[in-house]
Amino acid sequence: EVVLTQSPGTLSLSPGERATLSCRASQSVSSSYLAWYQHKPGQAPRLLIYGASSRATGIPDRFSGSGSGTDFTLTISRLEPEDFAVYYCQQYGSPPPWTFGQGTKVEIK
Amino acid sequence: QVHLMQSGAEVKKPGSSVKVSCKASGGTFSNYAISWVRQAPGQGLEWMGGIIPIFGTANYAQKFQGRVTFTADESTSTAYMELSSLRSEDTAVYYCGRGGLARVWGGYSYILDYWGQGTLVTVSS
Repeated sequence: EVVLTQSPGTLSLSPGERATLSCRASQSVSSSYLAWYQHKPGQAPRLLIYGASSRATGIPDRFSGSGSGTDFTLTISRLEPEDFAVYYCQQYGSPPPWTFGQGTKVEIK
Repeated sequence: QVHLMQSGAEVKKPGSSVKVSCKASGGTFSNYAISWVRQAPGQGLEWMGGIIPIFGTANYAQKFQGRVTFTADESTSTAYMELSSLRSEDTAVYYCGRGGLARVWGGYSYILDYWGQGTLVTVSS
């Protein structure tokens, strides 16, 4: 089973700043099959990135994903007020389970 | 536009079962997978597993093996998650999600491109 570790646990930033979130896998993720989700309280999560770097439909280009092997990054170039949320990574490049990381909360500083 | 509509909130007694439905509209059903994810109060997202309706094959997280069953009715584009032997720790919001199939490791992987609105299941005596 691949274990995903996200860091930091909480990121305190101001609108307009750049956010860099990390997701580290316990084993290499095949073909960069890694996804990122955004989750706001009271709402369903939303897929942001799949295949490590491909934006899902309708996702603004201020969101970008990168990485390969065991180290992946989600970058939000300039935080908008609606971007403050919890972000999760999920790998799907190996047989199940396709567990989530524990999440990174991006909060307003 | 793909839309997933889940059944309403449930309150259950410990030891009982719950069955949550997830009806898809606005796109094909059978050629995709339906995943199930839950979030307990104050916790993160927990992957429970999923089903590929066209194949009828399901994957279950080991934690839920023997206690959860995923089914799908292609005629109504509806997927179901049934969880039995409920305990208080099963109190959570349960989400379904639809995802495309990726042939990766010799089998099919799938994530959650579109999500249902969530179903709150409360287990309390």
